[in-house]
Amino acid sequence: KNEVEQSPQNLTAQEGEFITINCSYSVGISALHWLQQHPGGGIVSLFMLSSGKKKHGRLIATINIQEKHSSLHITASHPRDSAVYICAVLNTGNQFYFGTGTSLTVIP
Amino acid sequence: DSGVTQTPKHLITATGQRVTLRCSPRSGDLSVYWYQQSLDQGLQFLIQYYNGEERAKGNILERFSAQQFPDLHSELNLSSLELGDSALYFCASSLEGGNTEAFFGQGTRLTVV
Repeated sequence: KNEVEQSPQNLTAQEGEFITINCSYSVGISALHWLQQHPGGGIVSLFMLSSGKKKHGRLIATINIQEKHSSLHITASHPRDSAVYICAVLNTGNQFYFGTGTSLTVIP
Repeated sequence: DSGVTQTPKHLITATGQRVTLRCSPRSGDLSVYWYQQSLDQGLQFLIQYYNGEERAKGNILERFSAQQFPDLHSELNLSSLELGDSALYFCASSLEGGNTEAFFGQGTRLTVV
């Protein structure tokens, strides 16, 4: 069993739709990261969370420590949001574990 | 531009060889992380250095080693290369530990033939 599970694996949306990507983890964590990887391969860190909620532009990330669950929301999705979104957790032993990623395609 | 520089961008080498990947962190960042991304395994954490010392170790093979130098740049050494070592190798840096924001380099694509 993976320490980090993401859903859905693949997601296709129409431009303007509200998108949610979910991440569940099974280990105790000190932080959770949401990463974005574009088709060219480069990785960008979107959020680092240890509690609550963060917002950056059209992106919102939430975490529920008790339920061991995090969500990444994209409001008013745009074709440039098409990418793979990866959830990563840092456990209390300073080890990183990664989800397998959610491949998002936003159609104009 | 994340401020993290990785060289080289691409590397093609033969099985059994040894290569060195280099990472220069963002100015002021003390932590450097190395990750491997292969098609069948996804992203995997290899190792973390903080201010010159190893802080955490993940799924790093014994054939691989890393170090962080006094100027905080880091090198990942891969030896006795096998076909299965072909992957994207990413470096990331952060101010302190994994509970601070990480900035990723563009990666080194290693192909072992």
